[in-house]
Amino acid sequence: DAGVIQSPRHEVTEMGQEVTLRCKPISGHNSLFWYRQTMMRGLELLIYFNNNVPIDDSGMPEDRFSAKMPNASFSTLKIQPSEPRDSAVYFCASSLNGNIQYFGAGTRLSVL
Amino acid sequence: GQQVMQIPQYQHVQEGEDFTTYCNSSTTLSNIQWYKQRPGGHPVFLIQLVKSGEVKKQKRLTFQFGEAKKNSSLHITATQTTDVGTYFCAGGDNYQLIWGAGTKLIIKP
Repeated sequence: DAGVIQSPRHEVTEMGQEVTLRCKPISGHNSLFWYRQTMMRGLELLIYFNNNVPIDDSGMPEDRFSAKMPNASFSTLKIQPSEPRDSAVYFCASSLNGNIQYFGAGTRLSVL
Repeated sequence: GQQVMQIPQYQHVQEGEDFTTYCNSSTTLSNIQWYKQRPGGHPVFLIQLVKSGEVKKQKRLTFQFGEAKKNSSLHITATQTTDVGTYFCAGGDNYQLIWGAGTKLIIKP
């Protein structure tokens, strides 16, 4: 199995631009999680899906952030418009029934 | 809300010394998981503890789950440079995990 696949690995953009991060979970997993990691705030859960349905999005910082999971094999996290304070590493993780989580390699986002 | 407190935030050790990190939950956990994140990497699952008082070992790593299923510890004996990274505990809560803040293991030069 290829594991959780995230793209892009690195993204540099200018303030105000739209950013879309992508995630392909492990085949057969039914839970998907988006995290943000910074030095200041550590690892934060943004949102998680179970069977493609968003269950808890209380960690989404504000309306500029949105996440979708149109099918079991694909999810996106969108930031529009992006701001410098959004600079962080964004991880996607998947699991079977919310158990052990398998993380992707992450997307390092820099907003200038 | 439910929280998992993890201490210390950092631990500096000489190579060969032991390392311990502790987690405490505000509520009883269904299970506790431990993950390791190498510098520049992503969290990787190490182990899961489910039973009250459970102790598991992986080579030089010893994991414990408290009797009340509210606390846990990870102890590394005789640290090596390959142990460098941040160790996270995460408490099981239905379909998500409640994460500790992590303990960064730093080997003194």
